[in-house]
Amino acid sequence: DIQMTQSPSTLSASVGDRVTITCRASQSINSWLAWYQQKPGKAPNLLIYEASYLESGVPSRFSGSGSGTEFTLTISNLQPDDFATYYCQQYDSYSLTFGGGTKVEIK
Amino acid sequence: EVQLVESGGDLVQPGGSLRLSCAASGFTFSDHYMDWVRQAPGMGLEWVGRIRNKANSYTTEYAASVKGRFTISRDDSKNSLYLQMNSLKTEDTAVYYCARVRLSGYVQKYSDYWGQGTLVTVSS
Repeated sequence: DIQMTQSPSTLSASVGDRVTITCRASQSINSWLAWYQQKPGKAPNLLIYEASYLESGVPSRFSGSGSGTEFTLTISNLQPDDFATYYCQQYDSYSLTFGGGTKVEIK
Repeated sequence: EVQLVESGGDLVQPGGSLRLSCAASGFTFSDHYMDWVRQAPGMGLEWVGRIRNKANSYTTEYAASVKGRFTISRDDSKNSLYLQMNSLKTEDTAVYYCARVRLSGYVQKYSDYWGQGTLVTVSS
């Protein structure tokens, strides 16, 4: 299976900050990567697909980049609603895998 | 509006069986592949498996951790997805989500809508 490694596992930030989360794949997945946001007790919500395409309705302060094995999710101008846990997921192989998650906390 | 509603979660003993259901509405269910994803308490997301549509012969894929124990099926006439779980282990304790897979021309596909989940607890 393709392993997905996210870093950091926890990130402390303030409203207005720019934050970056990294996701590394154990082998090339081209651009077949999605990012999800999850809040406590809620289902995940799709933010980014195909590494850099913003899902409809998602604020433009979210952006994704990367290809191959290294990817980033950037949140510019962090808002109170953005404090949540973020997961990357590769869908290149028939066996999909998620990263371990990054919790964005209030500093 | 896309809606996915899971049901069937319960407390079950190790070695037991359970069947989860997911009722879909707001989209043409029969066109879409569907996924099951789980989340153990306080842990991250784990993909469980996928079922493709009729055009792709309802073929399935499973995570290694559940292969041979779990079976995904669907009834397009009822807009419903199922997860039959056998030989349950304590480590199968989790919230189980069903998720719609987005239609695209690519072989590679991702989930775009998720239900709210149903809790399965495996304990004696």
